[in-house]
This record gives sequence, structure tokens and C-alpha cells, in this order.
Amino acid sequence: AQKVTQAQTEISVVEKEDVTLDCVYETRDTTYYLFWYKQPPSGELVFLIRRNSFDEQNEISGRYSWNFQKSTSSFNFTITASQVVDSAVYFCALSEKRGKLIFGQGTELSVKP
Amino acid sequence: DTGVSQNPRHKITKRGQNVTFRCDPISEHNRLYWYRQTLGQGPEFLTYFQNEAQLEKSRLLSDRFSAERPKGSFSTLEIQRTEQGDSAMYLCAMENVEVLDTQYFGPGTRLTVL
Repeated sequence: AQKVTQAQTEISVVEKEDVTLDCVYETRDTTYYLFWYKQPPSGELVFLIRRNSFDEQNEISGRYSWNFQKSTSSFNFTITASQVVDSAVYFCALSEKRGKLIFGQGTELSVKP
Repeated sequence: DTGVSQNPRHKITKRGQNVTFRCDPISEHNRLYWYRQTLGQGPEFLTYFQNEAQLEKSRLLSDRFSAERPKGSFSTLEIQRTEQGDSAMYLCAMENVEVLDTQYFGPGTRLTVL
């Protein structure tokens, strides 16, 4: 069965700190996709990144970076030099081939000035 | 802007009433998904369409729920005889034909059943 676990329910940091959001997934498929979405207080889910199961290269986009490790079934998300605008709920999600997304419970990040 | 709009944004109704939500893409899309999100939880899959065809339905989608996508563009989700447990955010997502395998979400419809 597919499952996504985000063990950190809430994280609070002070502005400019680095923060890592953990994501562990379970799937029996060899082909799958992993995603991160951001949900700010306004409520709309914003797509951040998609990773193919065959591509384990880490990715960096500005202050955001993602670490994908198949050996530990993890897809962690790091924000460097966090800012107040990063405050949101972050969701990790899994899909097998093209199809429905299975979301984790989300991690609520609070960045204080 | 994801190019997905949803109406209404908020709906308050009394238990037992029927409600209908609409999801509209701005441009051509292929697959359309409906999810439900309750407070403090991640979104849960309800159903999806490829063009007009409804290809998968979750067990969460009881017989009080029905979804349509009559012309392969906009979609509606209807809940009959609403219950307080139906209170949630209902999210529509589209897969852009140019960026397959990635779902872009609309702003959602927040339903409150009194």
C-alpha cells in the first residue's frame, strides 16, 4: 500500500535559520513520483517540485533544496536562510505513474522574525 | 495563477441540503481530480476524470456524492443530503497537457454544514 509519513507536525524557527522537513514514503511500485506542495494561510496548494523515482539527483532552487534517497525511502526538503514568508503547511505527496496523489499529514512551519 | 478556478469559494449550508461545486480550467487540461481536505489533514483523493470519463472513485465517495465532467472541460461535484461530517475544503486539481504528471490545484471550496 502507498503511504506518506511526515513525522514533524509543527516546526518553529527564527528567521535566517535553516530548516529541514522530513518525508518518508512507502510504495511497492518501481515507478513513482514524489512531490512537495506548499499551503500558505490563504489555503491554495502551491506546487514546488516533482521527482521521478529513477532520478535520485538532488535539486536546488534558490533557498530550497531537496534530498531524494531511495535507499531510505525519503524525500526531504530543506529551506536555507528561512524567511517569514516561508511560514506555511508543507505537504509531501506520492503518486504511482500518472494518477491520484497520496499526501502526508503535512508539516506546519512557523518562521518568526 | 494555476489556471484553475473554483466556485463558490465558501458555502454554508444546513444539514440535509444539497450542494454543488464547480471547477473551471482556464486552458485546455487533460486529467481533472477532486480531493477533500479536513482541518489539520492532508488532502484525500475522491475521484478523477480523463476528458469526460470518470476513471476512478475513492471509497470516500459515498453514494451521496456525484461528480461529472460533461464536456471534458469544467467539472461539478454534488453532495446530496449533506451531513456535518462533509464539512471540509474541496479541492480541484488539473494536469496540464504540457506538464504531465503534475497536478495544479485551484483555490478550493470551503464547505460548512451546520
